[in-house]
Amino acid sequence: DSGVTQTPKHLITATGQRVTLRCSPRSGDLSVYWYQQSLDQGLQFLIQYYNGEERAKGNILERFSAQQFPDLHSELNLSSLELGDSALYFCASSARAGYNEQFFGPGTRLTVL
Amino acid sequence: GENVEQHPSTLSVQEGDSAVIKCTYSDSASNYFPWYKQELGKGPQLIIDIRSNVGEKKDQRIAVTLNKTAKHFSLHITETQPEDSAVYFCAASRGGGADGLTFGKGTHLIIQP
Repeated sequence: DSGVTQTPKHLITATGQRVTLRCSPRSGDLSVYWYQQSLDQGLQFLIQYYNGEERAKGNILERFSAQQFPDLHSELNLSSLELGDSALYFCASSARAGYNEQFFGPGTRLTVL
Repeated sequence: GENVEQHPSTLSVQEGDSAVIKCTYSDSASNYFPWYKQELGKGPQLIIDIRSNVGEKKDQRIAVTLNKTAKHFSLHITETQPEDSAVYFCAASRGGGADGLTFGKGTHLIIQP
């Protein structure tokens, strides 16, 4: 158990809908990262937050957004969902930004029908 | 941006033998190189990492080597055991505060009894 928690574990929704995935980092960790894992694209970095502020962006679509709250938990919002958004979404956390180990949560499996 | 190539995609070894997985990266500014193990239905688990100022790091049966000149790094697992069967991912990042990981495509390691 990495100490990173994610909810829900599974999510099934329809095209065009909007969903919110939630992540609680390890106790004391200030940095949160979101990754998408799919069969065709592999593991891809989406976005990083550090102590409430956006720090880096990867291959995140404009339909996706995230935020980190004062209690350091983070939410990833996915809107106008398409079939191709079906994937595993992982959250990771690290103590601080820069050269630090990232610990991954168990993931949320999103299925868009 | 960074591109990480990982080989082989599948590796089958006899229990007790050694396994080697190789990765190359393209961005000479990358400074942090972690390895993750992912079991079915779970999130990636950090097993070892290496930073650019170190050429080799060992932790019990696993070791990682880094050649910055050639821009490649490798994972070595000795005395393989059935519980080593999993998918292994290499990754790279620049660190420095904005440090989303760029992952390789993964290696499915199969330990034959």
